[in-house]
Amino acid sequence: EIVMTQSPATLSVSPGERATLSCRASQIVNTNLAWYQQKPGRAPRLLIYGASSRATGVPARFSGSGSGTEFTLTISSLQSEDFAVYYCQQYNDWPPWTFGQGTKVEIK
Amino acid sequence: EVQLVESGGGLVKPGGSLRLSCAASAFTFSSYNMNWVRQAPGKGLECVSSISSRGTYIYYADSVKGRFTISRDNDKNSLYLQMNSLRAEDTAIYYCARVGMTTMTLTDYWYFDLWGRGTLVTVSS
Repeated sequence: EIVMTQSPATLSVSPGERATLSCRASQIVNTNLAWYQQKPGRAPRLLIYGASSRATGVPARFSGSGSGTEFTLTISSLQSEDFAVYYCQQYNDWPPWTFGQGTKVEIK
Repeated sequence: EVQLVESGGGLVKPGGSLRLSCAASAFTFSSYNMNWVRQAPGKGLECVSSISSRGTYIYYADSVKGRFTISRDNDKNSLYLQMNSLRAEDTAIYYCARVGMTTMTLTDYWYFDLWGRGTLVTVSS
């Protein structure tokens, strides 16, 4: 089973600043990686698939990059609605679909 | 509206059973692979079971294998999770999630593109 490791666990950022979240896979997953956003009390929401393609309706301030085992989600200028927990997920080798443990983006 | 709606959660004693349902609407349910994903309180996401569009392929996480059974009824646009021999560690919000797919440059990319709001399962004496 591929293990996904996210860092940092918590990221404190001021509104308007850039946030950079990392995700590492224990094996090569090519670009078979997705990112999700989850707000308190809500279901996860798909942000990015194929490591860098934005899902429908996702603002351009969200971007994904990486391939192989190292991936990054960047939020270029944090808005108030972006404070949430973010998960990466691999689907190169499934089942199972495996998620990272999440990065919480909080207001600094 | 395209949506998934879970039901069937609740409080159950250790060793007990529950059956979760997920009702799909406004899309061709029979064309999609589906999953049950759970989230324990304050924890991350775990895909516990998957089923292919016609029900011919099924996956279970080791943590639930032999205790949970996934099924679907495409005529009723519904997904199910029968949970037996429940344990305290099964306490979680259970989400159903649809598998979407996009093809780019001859490569298929998969993702969970539609989620329900979840149903809470609490296993406690």
